[in-house]
Amino acid sequence: DAGITQSPRHKVTETGTPVTLRCHQTENHRYMYWYRQDPGHGLRLIHYSYGVKDTDKGEVSDGYSVSRSKTEDFLLTLESATSSQTSVYFCAIGQGSLRRSGNTIYFGEGSWLTVV
Amino acid sequence: QQQVKQSPQSLIVQKGGISIINCAYENTAFDYFPWYQQFPGKGPALLIAIRPDVSEKKEGRFTISFNKSAKQFSLHIMDSQPGDSATYFCAARSTGNQFYFGTGTSLTVIP
Repeated sequence: DAGITQSPRHKVTETGTPVTLRCHQTENHRYMYWYRQDPGHGLRLIHYSYGVKDTDKGEVSDGYSVSRSKTEDFLLTLESATSSQTSVYFCAIGQGSLRRSGNTIYFGEGSWLTVV
Repeated sequence: QQQVKQSPQSLIVQKGGISIINCAYENTAFDYFPWYQQFPGKGPALLIAIRPDVSEKKEGRFTISFNKSAKQFSLHIMDSQPGDSATYFCAARSTGNQFYFGTGTSLTVIP
């Protein structure tokens, strides 16, 4: 495993409530990402970070915000959860350079979120 | 708009057979093409990757074929085994170290 911890791993929440998912890494990687996985859509990028306090939007950022106050932590917040945000959320980390082994990103184990 | 198109959606192969999954892209700025394997309840894990200046890369039973002019790449799994049954994702890296993924292929290898 790549030293990535996601919490909570499972959560059920009500429509309209805010939800925060946490990603913690022990690898000191520069890049951190939040993806959501849905049947028929694969993995879609929500937001990513390229350094402390440096974040940018991905493909499906509406309804989500992120924060990165420390290298090791990347938080994803659903400001007002909706049923369409029921999904599996994956955090990923990457170094951001093409080294001998090539660059890649490593995924956490996922957070299952159900919005009822 | 899907940046990386993947097919087929699902694949059933007999044990010992060859599994082939295809991906296509349009963005010529993509500079790195990894494949990920995902088992149920787990996060995707890197399987094999290729850069666009190489036409083929082989690691054990897994081979990536890359056609830069056609903007296509494929994963071949030789001598497929039941333990290979998983979902496979192709991906491509763009500027800013953003990774775009295909929609996934569910592979079932029948004993």
